[in-house]
Amino acid sequence: TQLLEQSPQFLSIQEGENLTVYCNSSSVFSSLQWYRQEPGEGPVLLVTVVTGGEVKKLKRLTFQFGDARKDSSLHITAAQPGDTGLYLCAGAARGSNYKLTFGKGTLLTVNP
Amino acid sequence: NAGVMQNPRHLVRRRGQEARLRCSPMKGHSHVYWYRQLPEEGLKFMVYLQKENIIDESGMPKERFSAEFPKEGPSILRIQQVVRGDSAAYFCASSPGGTYSNQPQHFGDGTRLSIL
Repeated sequence: TQLLEQSPQFLSIQEGENLTVYCNSSSVFSSLQWYRQEPGEGPVLLVTVVTGGEVKKLKRLTFQFGDARKDSSLHITAAQPGDTGLYLCAGAARGSNYKLTFGKGTLLTVNP
Repeated sequence: NAGVMQNPRHLVRRRGQEARLRCSPMKGHSHVYWYRQLPEEGLKFMVYLQKENIIDESGMPKERFSAEFPKEGPSILRIQQVVRGDSAAYFCASSPGGTYSNQPQHFGDGTRLSIL
C-alpha cells in the first residue's frame, strides 16, 4: 500500500512570510499532483510534476519533485490570506496512474 | 470547480435507505473517478469508469456499493442499505486522457452524505 505523508499537518503564519510544505513517500510515483481544497469544495488542481528533479513555478508557488520521484515540496513566497486552504498532494503509481493516492493534507492559515 | 458537476451537494438518508450520487464530467472528458473522503482522512480511490465500462473498482466495498457510467447521462454511485459508516464526502473527478496517461484529474465539489 502506497502512503503519502504530508507535513506539517497544520501551519499558521503571518501575511508576507514564506513557507514550505512537504509530501513524502517510500514509494516511487510516475507523477505527482498538488491540489488546494477550500471548505465545502472539491480539490482544485494546482500543478502536475512528472520528471524527477522537476521544478514548476506558479506565481508565488514553487513545486519541486524529488530526484527519485518519491517526494515533493511546495514553497510559497510572501504568503497572502488568499493562500489559506488545505494543500493536498496526490501521487499516481506507474501501471495504474489513474489511481491517485492522497496525503491527508496541510491546513495553511495565513493571517492578515 | 467549473466543469465537473455533482449532485446533490448534500444528501441525508436514514439507515437502510439507498443513496444515489450523480456526476457529470467536464465537457470532452470520458473518464470518471470516484473518491471518498472520511473525516480526518485523505481522499481514497473507489472506482474508475469509462463510458459503459468499469475499469478498476478495487477501492470500492464489495457489498452495497455500485457504480455506472452509461452511454448517455451522468455517472452514478449507488449505495444500498446505507449505514452510519457511509457518512462521508464523495468526490467525482474526470479526465480526458487514456488509462495510462498522466492526464490530471479535475474534481467536482462533492456530495456530503449524512446517515441518520
